[in-house]
Amino acid sequence: DTGVSQDPRHKITKRGQNVTFRCDPISEHNRLYWYRQTLGQGPEFLTYFQNEAQLEKSRLLSDRFSAERPKGSFSTLEIQRTEQGDSAMYLCASSPGDSSPAQHFGDGTRLSIL
Amino acid sequence: SQKIEQNSEALNIQEGKTATLTCNYTNYSPAYLQWYRQDPGRGPVFLLLIRENEKEKRKERLKVTFDTTLKQSLFHITASQPADSATYLCAPHNAGNMLTFGGGTRLMVKP
Repeated sequence: DTGVSQDPRHKITKRGQNVTFRCDPISEHNRLYWYRQTLGQGPEFLTYFQNEAQLEKSRLLSDRFSAERPKGSFSTLEIQRTEQGDSAMYLCASSPGDSSPAQHFGDGTRLSIL
Repeated sequence: SQKIEQNSEALNIQEGKTATLTCNYTNYSPAYLQWYRQDPGRGPVFLLLIRENEKEKRKERLKVTFDTTLKQSLFHITASQPADSATYLCAPHNAGNMLTFGGGTRLMVKP
């Protein structure tokens, strides 16, 4: 079990730039989730995939955010025209499905907007 | 509106004592509730899940209770150790497949 892997671990960028993060879930897990976490808060749900289908999106996910999971394996989260308020930890999680609702998290990508 | 409350103040206890963390929720009827541990700079790690028809669940030194009348879950760590120091997050299951987390409680166990 290699766990959920996220890349990069840290990203520093200037306001207005686009950024893309990658998540590799545990291989046999068909469900993949993205969350955002700011300091002192719990993670907030952004979006959810079952295989390659994006089934749920939070109202937090503005039109500057887009997520894909093209072949039902890895996923990418892109933020366009970044803003100061986008600074946060972006966490990815995966789970095998209804049989086990526990989610397995990666260690996140920390985004800092200058 | 739906709300999950965990004590935002850090809980400081002495090694060997029992730590008790509280999770209260309102306007929810969760079918189950999960607890996670999070260390600084790391992602949350799943600890325990308790279902609405279970009053109590144990795993090694951990114990979780779930009172659907009080809308509360208690998380206990017995014989606490400095290595138990972390932030603990509760997540009552809401509709859909995502988790909705409380703000977490930071536990500090002093030797």
